[in-house]
Amino acid sequence: DAGVIQSPRHEVTEMGQEVTLRCKPISGHDYLFWYRQTMMRGLELLIYFNNNVPIDDSGMPEDRFSAKMPNASFSTLKIQPSEPRDSAVYFCASTSEVRINEKLFFGSGTQLSVL
Amino acid sequence: LAKTTQPISMDSYEGQEVNITCSHNNIATNDYITWYQQFPSQGPRFIIQGYKTKVTNEVASLFIPADRKSSTLSLPRVSLSDTAVYYCLVGDVSSVGTSGTYKYIFGTGTRLKVLA
Repeated sequence: DAGVIQSPRHEVTEMGQEVTLRCKPISGHDYLFWYRQTMMRGLELLIYFNNNVPIDDSGMPEDRFSAKMPNASFSTLKIQPSEPRDSAVYFCASTSEVRINEKLFFGSGTQLSVL
Repeated sequence: LAKTTQPISMDSYEGQEVNITCSHNNIATNDYITWYQQFPSQGPRFIIQGYKTKVTNEVASLFIPADRKSSTLSLPRVSLSDTAVYYCLVGDVSSVGTSGTYKYIFGTGTRLKVLA
């Protein structure tokens, strides 16, 4: 398996623009997570899905952020409008069961810079 | 209230054994302890997991005392490539999601720097 695939790897945009980050989970994994990582706040859980349905979005910072999972093999995280404070690395991860003894597999992340 | 407590950073030299301790005073009876490793510009990856006593794999060892209120990740003979952030996760009822399932909440981690 190719692992969790994220695109783009790097994104540079200007304040106010819409940004869409993409993720393809590992085939057969029913759970998908979106995280954001910054030096100040560390690795923050934004939202996670089970069988394409959002289960917990309590970590989504503002209404400017939205996430969708139209099918089992694709998810998007959208920021509209983007702001400089959204600059971070965004990770997608997937697993087959949400238990501590199930491994969480991460993608390589999207480095987002909002100017 | 923090679920796990780890040192913020550690330095070591190549060839030394490194021990990183994680405190988890509120660990529940059925909780496992899991460690993840994150290299720069990559996502975290699973390295080892245990419930009690000692677990060893090709990468590390995990020591868990009888009271399970702490755990120690041991990296034998580290090399420069072991420079990374190491996260300790435990299952805890306070992190149960709205569906009643576990949420993978990462703490601040321990930033290990291996020096030549």
